[in-house]
Amino acid sequence: AQSVSQHNHHVILSEAASLELGCNYSYGGTVNLFWYVQYPGQHLQLLLKYFSGDPLVKGIKGFEAEFIKSKFSFNLRKPSVQWSDTAEYFCAVNGVRFGNEKLTFGTGTRLTIIP
Amino acid sequence: DSGVTQTPKHLITATGQRVTLRCSPRSGDLSVYWYQQSLDQGLQFLIHYYNGEERAKGNILERFSAQQFPDLHSELNLSSLELGDSALYFCASSAGGLNTEAFFGQGTRLTVV
Repeated sequence: AQSVSQHNHHVILSEAASLELGCNYSYGGTVNLFWYVQYPGQHLQLLLKYFSGDPLVKGIKGFEAEFIKSKFSFNLRKPSVQWSDTAEYFCAVNGVRFGNEKLTFGTGTRLTIIP
Repeated sequence: DSGVTQTPKHLITATGQRVTLRCSPRSGDLSVYWYQQSLDQGLQFLIHYYNGEERAKGNILERFSAQQFPDLHSELNLSSLELGDSALYFCASSAGGLNTEAFFGQGTRLTVV
């Protein structure tokens, strides 16, 4: 069974600070990796995804993530956060195998940006 | 706007009742997924349909059932509702296949009183 761990439950930063949110996964096969963001009262929106190729992926709103296969990690980064980045961030994984396309989510990290 | 439509947005019902949540996937998407989001359980996968057939089942209670119709819309039926079923229910759709991304609807907030 696959699982995802997000170690930071709540992160508080000032505007312009750099951000790194940790994500580790467990799965005995090839995976796709995702970061979703959920703004208050809204649905999940895809920030970025990794299927294959360059392990450093760039997403929307200046976010990027790096897949480190040896560490089973897919950490999310942003060099300079803005107040509008206040939201909940979810790391997710699915297996590259028919019948296992479902997403398994981490517990989420609540990010609060102080102006 | 993700292109995934869920109705209703909010639902308040009494314990023991039955409700139906509806999801219309993005145009052309064959896969529909249902997830439950609650404070204590986080985002839990319930069930996945691909082109009308059940593809995978997750932590879905026996009181819950779902189906995907020929026009690809899906319904999640929740019966004998309990207070603990109060949650946000999300539907997501994808094109199907191994390397595709899922797009989420706005969710249905179910409150059981």
